[in-house]
Amino acid sequence: KAGVTQTPRYLIKTRGQQVTLSCSPISGHRSVSWYQQTPGQGLQFLFEYFSETQRNKGNFPGRFSGRQFSNSRSEMNVSTLELGDSALYLCASSLAPSGSSYNEQFFGPGTRLTVL
Amino acid sequence: GDSVTQMEGPVTLSEEAFLTINCTYTATGYPSLFWYVQYPGEGLQLLLKATKADDKGSNKGFEATYRKETTSFHLEKGSVQVSDSAVYFCALYNGGATNKLIFGTGTLLAVQP
Repeated sequence: KAGVTQTPRYLIKTRGQQVTLSCSPISGHRSVSWYQQTPGQGLQFLFEYFSETQRNKGNFPGRFSGRQFSNSRSEMNVSTLELGDSALYLCASSLAPSGSSYNEQFFGPGTRLTVL
Repeated sequence: GDSVTQMEGPVTLSEEAFLTINCTYTATGYPSLFWYVQYPGEGLQLLLKATKADDKGSNKGFEATYRKETTSFHLEKGSVQVSDSAVYFCALYNGGATNKLIFGTGTLLAVQP
């Protein structure tokens, strides 16, 4: 079974531009979460989607947004890029959202975004 | 709010040495605890987990015991290999209507032959 795939793997943008990152979950997984990884802040939760609906959002500005399609694929968008947005963006999928017990999330390799 | 604290790296060991990476947490209730590993250029992989107090998670020679009295989940391995070189993240999940994992800052382990 193929794992979580993320495209592109590497991106270089300049300040003020916008960017869209894509995530294809494992087949049959309907829940997708996004995380930002930086040397200074570590791994921080961005948002999660299930059935095309955003269920939760982390503490990030409105420039960060996302969506999920009917085939469970997800995209995240960052508008008006800032230097501090340079990071590894990780996508994780699970069969369903976690509730009282944890449904294991499987992580993709990430998209490395560099903002110049 | 909930948080995870793990020891700063890098940790540099010789092959076959004993490994300990410390992790403590702050959380209400009874979180599930995890260790994830990230190899260079790859995403995170779940290494082991424990869902209740006194549980021991184990995988690939790594172990960690959920200690509620000390709010700790230290990662140990008796004999490390060069192939264990990676970044290790301690994390918790504390329920509720969210998939959100809370991670520690990560510890880089470098094993020398």
